[in-house]
Amino acid sequence: AQSVTQLDSQVPVFEEAPVELRCNYSSSVSVYLFWYVQYPNQGLQLLLKYLSGSTLVKGINGFEAEFNKSQTSFHLRKPSVHISDTAEYFCAVSDLVSSYKLIFGSGTRLLVRP
Amino acid sequence: DTAVSQTPKYLVTQMGNDKSIKCEQNLGHDTMYWYKQDSKKFLKIMFSYNNKELIINETVPNRFSPKSPDKAHLNLHINSLELGDSAVYFCASSPLRGGSSGANVLTFGAGSRLTVL
Repeated sequence: AQSVTQLDSQVPVFEEAPVELRCNYSSSVSVYLFWYVQYPNQGLQLLLKYLSGSTLVKGINGFEAEFNKSQTSFHLRKPSVHISDTAEYFCAVSDLVSSYKLIFGSGTRLLVRP
Repeated sequence: DTAVSQTPKYLVTQMGNDKSIKCEQNLGHDTMYWYKQDSKKFLKIMFSYNNKELIINETVPNRFSPKSPDKAHLNLHINSLELGDSAVYFCASSPLRGGSSGANVLTFGAGSRLTVL
């Protein structure tokens, strides 16, 4: 079974500062990895995904994430955040066998201050 | 047009009542899901249907019963509501077909906030 750990429940940053949201996963098989964003009172929207190939993946809104197999991590980064990036960010994993099931982390709230 | 739409958006009801949440997707996807998001924002899968067939049924009280009349609709009926059922329920869909491989990218609805008093 897979699991996802997001160690930071909240990350406050100032506008235009860089940010990294951490995600570690556990799985005995190869996985697909995802980051979703949830803006207030909305559903989840896909930010980016890692399927295979290049370990650095780019997503929408200037976000990118790097897959590190040896550290079982998939950290999300943005070089300069905006107020509008304030939202809840969820890391998720599914395995290549039972890829129906998407397992989510507990979420990290990114709070961007002016 | 909203890709995945849920109704109602808000639902306030008394303990012991029975209620339903409806979900429809117009993406032509084969698979639909119900997720529960608790007060701490934790998302947990409840059910999944692929072409009207139940494929995921997590440890959920049998007071919760999903129904899929066709592959574009997945409704959630909850009997004898309890305080602990208060949460936001998200419907989602994905193009993944049964037996196929590939990453499962979900499209989510906006959520239905259920409050049990």
